[in-house]
Amino acid sequence: DSGVTQTPKHLITATGQRVTLRCSPRSGDLSVYWYQQSLDQGLQFLIQYYNGEERAKGNILERFSAQQFPDLHSELNLSSLELGDSALYFCASSAADRGPYNSPLHFGNGTRLTVT
Amino acid sequence: DQQVKQNSPSLSVQEGRISILNCDYTNSMFDYFLWYKKYPAEGPTFLISISSIKDKNEDGRFTVFLNKSAKHLSLHIVPSQPGDSAVYFCAAASGTYKYIFGTGTRLKVLA
Repeated sequence: DSGVTQTPKHLITATGQRVTLRCSPRSGDLSVYWYQQSLDQGLQFLIQYYNGEERAKGNILERFSAQQFPDLHSELNLSSLELGDSALYFCASSAADRGPYNSPLHFGNGTRLTVT
Repeated sequence: DQQVKQNSPSLSVQEGRISILNCDYTNSMFDYFLWYKKYPAEGPTFLISISSIKDKNEDGRFTVFLNKSAKHLSLHIVPSQPGDSAVYFCAAASGTYKYIFGTGTRLKVLA
C-alpha cells in the first residue's frame, strides 16, 4: 500500500460530460502529481501541485483542470469529455518541493475512465 | 517527442537467470533516473533510483546502471523470480519537477 488513495476506481460516462477524480496523498507529502496512461502508452505527465500551488504543467488539455486543497487532497476535473480521454489516470505524491532528488513518486492505484 | 524510450515492449526470461531492461533518454538535462514496477490493476511501485553523479546503484537483486555518455540506463534483476513478472517503467527527471516516463517493458519470468 503506497498510502496514496484515489477515488473512484472506475468511472463510465458519456461524451460531453464532466467528471472529477480525487486523490489523497501520503501522509506528510506536500506534492501531488497527475498522470494519464492511455492504452499501450507510457505515463504522460499532466500537472503538479505543491502545497496548494501549481508548480509544473505537462501535456494537460485546456478541458482539464486540477487543484490542491488546504488539506492537500487534489482533484482533477475533466470536462467536455471525448472518446480519446478514456484512460487510466494516476495520482502520485512525494515529499519533495524543488525537484525529485531522493524523493521518488508514490502512486495510487488509479482511476479508470471510460468515455462512451 | 519521446524523451525517454524503452524500445523493448516485452521480455521473457527463465527463472533464476538475469533480466536486463533497457532505457534510453535524449535530454542531457536529466540527472535523476528511476525504475518502477507495475502489476495489473495497481499503480506503479518505486523500485530503485540513481543520480547522474553515480554510474551504478544496487539494492538487493536489483541494480541500475547509468551510462551518461550514451544516455542509457539499464535495470538488472538477478536472479529473476516469477513474482518479478510485471511492466517496468523507467523515468527521468531534472530540477523542473517533471518526471518523464517511458512506455514500459513487460517482463515475463518463466518458471
